[in-house]
Amino acid sequence: DGGITQSPKYLFRKEGQNVTLSCEQNLNHDAMYWYRQDPGQGLRLIYYSQIVNDFQKGDIAEGYSVSREKKESFPLTVTSAQKNPTAFYLCASSGWQVNTEAFFGQGTRLTVV
Amino acid sequence: AQSVAQPEDQVNVAEGNPLTVKCTYSVSGNPYLFWYVQYPNRGLQFLLKYITGDNLVKGSYGFEAEFNKSQTSFHLKKPSALVSDSALYFCAVRPMNRDDKIIFGKGTRLHILP
Repeated sequence: DGGITQSPKYLFRKEGQNVTLSCEQNLNHDAMYWYRQDPGQGLRLIYYSQIVNDFQKGDIAEGYSVSREKKESFPLTVTSAQKNPTAFYLCASSGWQVNTEAFFGQGTRLTVV
Repeated sequence: AQSVAQPEDQVNVAEGNPLTVKCTYSVSGNPYLFWYVQYPNRGLQFLLKYITGDNLVKGSYGFEAEFNKSQTSFHLKKPSALVSDSALYFCAVRPMNRDDKIIFGKGTRLHILP
């Protein structure tokens, strides 16, 4: 089955730790995105990538980092510089053509303990 | 600036009644418009999209949306609401320039009352 997979579903981070969220897609999509969702709020774009080895900052990139070494993979690292990382993180991908819809993973809930 | 607005944070509808979730947009050029639904602790699921052609677009789960160019709107509708339609709904626009990011509205929570 084609799709987009995020792991883990739940993640706990201690203060001062870096953690990496995984996002893998087998849809052959060029574009991939990371969003953050806080309770009762909409989606805020963290980073996006339109092509391998290239990515752009979104609206709230501070404290986060990404890589796009493979077309299928777009991992997100939440660094210790992110002061309030507790949130629901969503990864998405979309095809090259702008009239195609985005596909979302099931999300990773990150909690600072 | 390109934007999407969902003017209602929450919409309450009685089961069996018609529902409307509003969306307006501001983009340059022809818009590519989308609706997504999110159930609790899940990712977003695609419902329907407008690319070109007929202004009334039909999608999943009996939903449809009406594109109105003069009012720059793309309201989501369903003739008869189900309790299971209760969820968070997002309108989105994808600019014609593929280097531009997808723009999402802030979401509207739909409550269907039994």
